Amino acid sequence: QKEVEQDPGPLSVPEGAIVSLNCTYSNSAFQYFMWYRQYSRKGPELLMYTYSSGNKEDGRFTAQVDKSSKYISLFIRDSQPSDSATYLCAMSYKNTGNQFYFGTGTSLTVIP
Amino acid sequence: DAGVTQSPTHLIKTRGQQVTLRCSPKSGHDTVSWYQQALGQGPQFIFQYYEEEERQRGNFPDRFSGHQFPNYSSELNVNALLLGDSALYLCASSSLNQPQHFGDGTRLSIL
Repeated sequence: QKEVEQDPGPLSVPEGAIVSLNCTYSNSAFQYFMWYRQYSRKGPELLMYTYSSGNKEDGRFTAQVDKSSKYISLFIRDSQPSDSATYLCAMSYKNTGNQFYFGTGTSLTVIP
Repeated sequence: DAGVTQSPTHLIKTRGQQVTLRCSPKSGHDTVSWYQQALGQGPQFIFQYYEEEERQRGNFPDRFSGHQFPNYSSELNVNALLLGDSALYLCASSSLNQPQHFGDGTRLSIL
């Protein structure tokens, strides 16, 4: 069993839709949770990071962590064609400088 | 403020050869991590360097080695290249309690 599971998609939505991206994990020791966006032929770009359970909002993006269910989510409101990319979830044990465990990534296309 | 820079951007090698990839961390960062990303997969952790020492290592053979210099820049070396080593190699830098920032990677193709 992989440490981090993520549906690879692909996911296709119309412009303006609310997008929900999810990851599940098996190890309850994970404490830090990150979401990265990766455009084609580019490196991952940090979108959000959270510590432990709860919600965090930044503009059109909201990250949720439910440690009791070992489940994290990223919501994108008012999705735009420029949001079309692969979204990677990542987790670490002790701090955000330690080894990251990544999901496989979800490919998202926002159709104008 | 320059982010993480990696060189070269693309490299083609043949089986059995050796390769060196380079990374300059984001200004103010002292920790460098290397990841391998196969096509359609998430990045896999290779190792991490801090204070010129390897601090953590993932499940990669010792054909993969690295180095960190006093200016915090880093190199990843891979010996005896295999076809399966074809991937995007990502460098990430960080500092204490700050999340890792990634470069755009080096795309390595093995023929």
